[in-house]
Amino acid sequence: GAVVSQHPSWVICKSGTSVKIECRSLDFQATTMFWYRQFPKQSLMLMATSNEGSKATYEQGVEKDKFLINHASLTLSTLTVTSAHPEDSSFYICSAREGGTGNQPQHFGDGTRLSIL
Amino acid sequence: QQPVQSPQAVILREGEDAVINCSSSKALYSVHWYRQKHGEAPVFLMILLKGGEQKGHEKISASFNEKKQQSSLYLTASQLSYSGTYFCGTANSGNTPLVFGKGTRLSVIA
Repeated sequence: GAVVSQHPSWVICKSGTSVKIECRSLDFQATTMFWYRQFPKQSLMLMATSNEGSKATYEQGVEKDKFLINHASLTLSTLTVTSAHPEDSSFYICSAREGGTGNQPQHFGDGTRLSIL
Repeated sequence: QQPVQSPQAVILREGEDAVINCSSSKALYSVHWYRQKHGEAPVFLMILLKGGEQKGHEKISASFNEKKQQSSLYLTASQLSYSGTYFCGTANSGNTPLVFGKGTRLSVIA
């Protein structure tokens, strides 16, 4: 089955640090990847859609300069949380769709738990 | 627009059945069902496309009523491993990302 790898699993860092999270599709090409954020016991909130070779599409209320997304290849998207603060602490999950249309499932990475001190 | 899931939580004994509902106020292209265990990423269960269909594997099945813009997930003869939070994700077209409901927390006890 389709596998999405996300790295790192855990990050603990000081306020003001920038953190990069990688999302890779291991056995399929993904022209589109998605970044979600999840608070404890809450739903997955879409942050942005990452498109290979073009700019990401951000959801309303998500700061583009705060959450930098790069989709450099068909198998890799990165999310960089710049100058992170305690309120950025959360569970970040990426997903990738096997095909280009919505009739294909989105497969999720294992998530990254980010804690800003 | 976020789909509405019901119930919010349910507790079952092993062997009992459960139904989780997902509804939207907008026309749906597809409905995706996922199960998430605590501290883990969501795991894909199944996808249903517009046109009205029903799918299933083993003791978990789902239906999609396009006219009512509703989907239901059916869990029969529940097992302890079914415990977790179930999310439905909906897409309004073939190109839009999934928007997830708030989830239904299912607990199966012995």
